[in-house]
Amino acid sequence: ETGVTQTPRHLVMGMTNKKSLKCEQHLGHNAMYWYKQSAKKPLELMFVYSLEERVENNSVPSRFSPECPNSSHLFLHLHTLQPEDSALYLCASSQEGLALYNEQFFGPGTRLTVL
Amino acid sequence: SQQGEEDPQALSIQEGENATMNCSYKTSINNLQWYRQNSGRGLVHLILIRSNEREKHSGRLRVTLDTSKKSSSLLITASRAADTASYFCATGLRSGGYNKLIFGAGTRLAVHP
Repeated sequence: ETGVTQTPRHLVMGMTNKKSLKCEQHLGHNAMYWYKQSAKKPLELMFVYSLEERVENNSVPSRFSPECPNSSHLFLHLHTLQPEDSALYLCASSQEGLALYNEQFFGPGTRLTVL
Repeated sequence: SQQGEEDPQALSIQEGENATMNCSYKTSINNLQWYRQNSGRGLVHLILIRSNEREKHSGRLRVTLDTSKKSSSLLITASRAADTASYFCATGLRSGGYNKLIFGAGTRLAVHP
């Protein structure tokens, strides 16, 4: 286990539903990330939180809304999604500071299917 | 835009053989990392090489980095069936106070017993 947990592991939702993905890291890290992984495409960085402040939003549609209430928890709120949003959503964390080189620790992902 | 591109997209070998995967990138970096992903699971960090390093070893893994050619390679020696997974390179560059990683599309490795 990497010390990053994600729930739920699988989610099926209709286009009119509202749901949330949860990520929790037990590593004492100060940065958390949301990535989207679609079939046959590179991992896409969606959002970055460093010290609980959003520092990057990679032109993600507003139907995805992140929330970082503290340094250990990260949520991704979903509403009125499209079928093309079906993907594996991965959460990651890292310890950011003066070092230039940091590895990221990933959770197991949430497999999202939008009907 | 995509930074790292892996080659080949898929690789099929027998147990005991070596597996070599290549990664090319376009812009400046300060580090390059390799990750592994078992089917439908999260990524696991394998090894990090800094831009001022040329080669690094970790167990059966050997990574090289050629910044003049903007390329890296990952060699897995004496492969095992358990090495079957997708392997991703990620280029790292300091941005906005954190180490931003941009991932390639990955190489799918199948090791047959």
